[in-house]
Amino acid sequence: DGGITQSPKYLFRKEGQNVTLSCEQNLNHDAMYWYRQDPGQGLRLIYYSQIVNDFQKGDIAEGYSVSREKKESFPLTVTSAQKNPTAFYLCASMGAPENNNEQFFGPGTRLTVL
Amino acid sequence: AQSVTQLDSHVSVSEGTPVLLRCNYSSSYSPSLFWYVQHPNKGLQLLLKYTSAATLVKGINGFEAEFKKSETSFHLTKPSAHMSDAAEYFCVVIRSYNTDKLIFGTGTRLQVFP
Repeated sequence: DGGITQSPKYLFRKEGQNVTLSCEQNLNHDAMYWYRQDPGQGLRLIYYSQIVNDFQKGDIAEGYSVSREKKESFPLTVTSAQKNPTAFYLCASMGAPENNNEQFFGPGTRLTVL
Repeated sequence: AQSVTQLDSHVSVSEGTPVLLRCNYSSSYSPSLFWYVQHPNKGLQLLLKYTSAATLVKGINGFEAEFKKSETSFHLTKPSAHMSDAAEYFCVVIRSYNTDKLIFGTGTRLQVFP
C-alpha cells in the first residue's frame, strides 16, 4: 500500500529535551511538508521541502529543524527552543503539479511535553 | 492575499438530515479550493477540490461543493448525514498563484446525532 507513515503516534518528552518525529512516504513524491495543529486552529506550516537536500522555512519555523537526505524521509526535530511544543504534528507529501496541489497526509504524531 | 473563513466552528445535525458547512474565500485570482476531512486523532483526507473546471464539484462519501464567484463562497453540502460523517472539516485555498503551499481555515466540527 502506498502512503505516508508517521511514528510514533504518541510521544511524551520532558521540557528541555529535543525530540525527532519521523515521516516516511513511499508515494515517490518530491514535495513534503510539516504542519502543526492546535485546538480550534487550522494547520500551520512549519517547514517544507520540494526536493532532496533542500528545504524552506514555513510560517512557524522557530524552534524546529528538518533534514531531507532521502526522497522518502523528512524528519522533524522539535528543539528545546520551541516555547510551546505540545501539539498534533502532521506530515504531508505532494506529487506532480498536474494533480492540482493535492497533498496527502500522514496519521499524525501527538507530542506532549511534560 | 488569499484566505479562507469557515463561518461555523461547530455544526450539529441529526442523522438523515442535510449538512451545510460554510466557507468564504478571499483571492486576487481564480483560486484552487479544497475540502479536507479529519477524523479524531487522524490525518487529513481530501474530500473534493475545485480547480476552475465545473463549479459544482462532487467528492467522496456523497459530499459536494459549489464554487460561487459572485458570493466568494465554497460551501460543502451533503443531502443526508450519516453517523460516520462526524469529524472536523477544513476549507483550504492555495496560498498564491503557481505555488504548492496551502492556507487552512480554522475548521468546522460536525456532530451527527442519532
